[in-house]
Amino acid sequence: DIQLTQSPSFLSAFIGDTVTITCRASQGISSYLAWYQQKPGKAPKLLIYGASTLQSGVPPRFSGSGSGTEFTLTISSLQPEDFATYYCQQLNSFPQTFGQGTKVEIK
Amino acid sequence: QVQLVQSGAEVKKPGASVKVSCKASGYTFNDYYMYWVRQAPRQGLEWMGRLNPNSGVTNYAQNFQGRVTLTRDTSIRTAYIELSNLRSDDTAVYYCARLRGADAFDIWGQGTVVTVSS
Repeated sequence: DIQLTQSPSFLSAFIGDTVTITCRASQGISSYLAWYQQKPGKAPKLLIYGASTLQSGVPPRFSGSGSGTEFTLTISSLQPEDFATYYCQQLNSFPQTFGQGTKVEIK
Repeated sequence: QVQLVQSGAEVKKPGASVKVSCKASGYTFNDYYMYWVRQAPRQGLEWMGRLNPNSGVTNYAQNFQGRVTLTRDTSIRTAYIELSNLRSDDTAVYYCARLRGADAFDIWGQGTVVTVSS
């Protein structure tokens, strides 16, 4: 199975900050990477697929980049509703594994 | 409206089985793989298995081989997961999710809390 490692596991930021989360794959996955946001008590919500394509309805302050083994999720001008846990997921090969998550909290 | 609606919370004793349903609406049920993912308290997302609703073919994560069974009833557009021989560490929220092509899990059920306690 392909392993995904997210960093950091936790980050604390101010409203209005720009934050970046990294996801590294144990082997190349082309651009088959998705990012999800999860709030407490809720199901994950798709933000980005294909490493950089924004899911319909997701604000443009979210962006994704990368290919191969290294990917980033950037949130520009952090808003109160963005404080959540973020997961990456690879869809290059079965099983479609997840990273361990990055919790973004208000400083 | 495309959605997945799961059955309600369950409380089970160790050694018992649980069966959770996931009803699809707003799209052609047979056209999309259905996955099951669980999340233990304060933990990350763990893939359990997938079902091809068209053929009924299933694949299971090695961690759950022999204990998990995925089925479906296409007449009512519903997928099921059954987990047997429950242990306390099976306490988790269980999600169904639709795989959109090779893109992503674009639609998720609301989750079903399963509590295993004596």
